Amino acid sequence: NAGVMQNPRHLVRRRGQEARLRCSPMKGHSHVYWYRQLPEEGLKFMVYLQKENIIDESGMPKERFSAEFPKEGPSILRIQQVVRGDSAAYFCASSRDGANQPQHFGDGTRLSIL
Amino acid sequence: GEDVEQSLFLSVREGDSSVINCTYTDSSSTYLYWYKQEPGAGLQLLTYIFSNMDMKQDQRLTVLLNKKDKHLSLRIADTQTGDSAIYFCAEYSGGYQKVTFGIGTKLQVIP
Repeated sequence: NAGVMQNPRHLVRRRGQEARLRCSPMKGHSHVYWYRQLPEEGLKFMVYLQKENIIDESGMPKERFSAEFPKEGPSILRIQQVVRGDSAAYFCASSRDGANQPQHFGDGTRLSIL
Repeated sequence: GEDVEQSLFLSVREGDSSVINCTYTDSSSTYLYWYKQEPGAGLQLLTYIFSNMDMKQDQRLTVLLNKKDKHLSLRIADTQTGDSAIYFCAEYSGGYQKVTFGIGTKLQVIP
């Protein structure tokens, strides 16, 4: 399966813990995007990364959230000191290098905060 | 600014046609997308249309774009129960592929 791979599919954390969400883009894709979907809502853009660079993080909260896309390995979305309001589905998408390429999505990570 | 609006819910009978509508505000949008999300799954790219096109057909799917009114529609012919899902309209604008999504239309197909 050469699609966008996200893991884990489900993640449960207690308030105050750290959550790490991983995303491996499709083969040949060097652009990664993270979105958050709250229950009964659409997708909200969080951050856009290329290899080793954050291009746009305008949708990501300034505190507790960070993202990276290292030269080797998957993209990581990290949420520190999680709170109940962080409970959501987090989706990763990737696109091929170049302009105007459609984004392809993974199946998401459902984060639940106890 | 960017804003994409969709109606929240649509119910159709199996075999009928479904039409899901979307309006957007960014006149500089170059691509408009339709994604399908089934329960517990990610978004599946169904089809997309370039802004210089009026219509695109792909099997049971027909996309119509009225650029003057900034209106996009997705028509599903011979709707099946497997088409029940949430359908998201999205627009691409900006030099680095920032995509703005609508809230999604939940399509319910009645057998």
